[in-house]
Amino acid sequence: EVHLVESGGALVQPGGSLRLSCEASGFTVSTFNINWVRQAPGKGLEWVSYISSSSSGSTIYYADSVKGRFTISGDSAKNSVYLQMNSLRAEDTAVYFCAREPPWLGEFIMDVWGKGTTVTVSS
Amino acid sequence: DIQMTQSPSSLSASVGDRVTIACRASESIGTYLNWYQQKPGKAPKLLIYAASSLQSGVPSGFSGSGSGTDFTLTIDSLQPDDFATYFCQQSYSIGGPTFGGGTKVEI
Repeated sequence: EVHLVESGGALVQPGGSLRLSCEASGFTVSTFNINWVRQAPGKGLEWVSYISSSSSGSTIYYADSVKGRFTISGDSAKNSVYLQMNSLRAEDTAVYFCAREPPWLGEFIMDVWGKGTTVTVSS
Repeated sequence: DIQMTQSPSSLSASVGDRVTIACRASESIGTYLNWYQQKPGKAPKLLIYAASSLQSGVPSGFSGSGSGTDFTLTIDSLQPDDFATYFCQQSYSIGGPTFGGGTKVEI
């Protein structure tokens, strides 16, 4: 069965850093595009970042709200994708989901999601 | 950025009702429109992609329509399991997708 499991969420002070992990099982993560999407408490969904499959050359995109502060990367050996978050702000407080984007559906169409990991930025 | 506007933001309905949710894009996106269902404390679930294609495993009572800037999600006969929040999402922009604000379907 196909699963994504996020980890690494925590309470962190403004200006701090966190590294989120997204571990895949049941499929090879390097053959799929992977997105990070976040949801602030009681709010809607906000796309954060994307990394294409390594067969596509690992193209990377970021939302303007995180550009220059967040870095997405992948590790084929660990079947995982990561989100390094620096210079964290209160407005980064959210549940962070990773989601798979299968090539047969099209770009940014996400068919498998993890359960999410919670990031709280507060002093 | 392409803005996505959903209406209504919430609605009350009963089991068996036909429910329609609208989504409008700030510019034409063809049929690059997807619908997700989210229940409290859970991850979103893909229902409809490319405006009208039903994702595998999703009940046939869900349908989507529209193109350009105006789209609709219809639930033919509301079931108890369908009470949730629904989000539309454009996947047209190469710079990244954007989601609508959500429509909460309540009893």
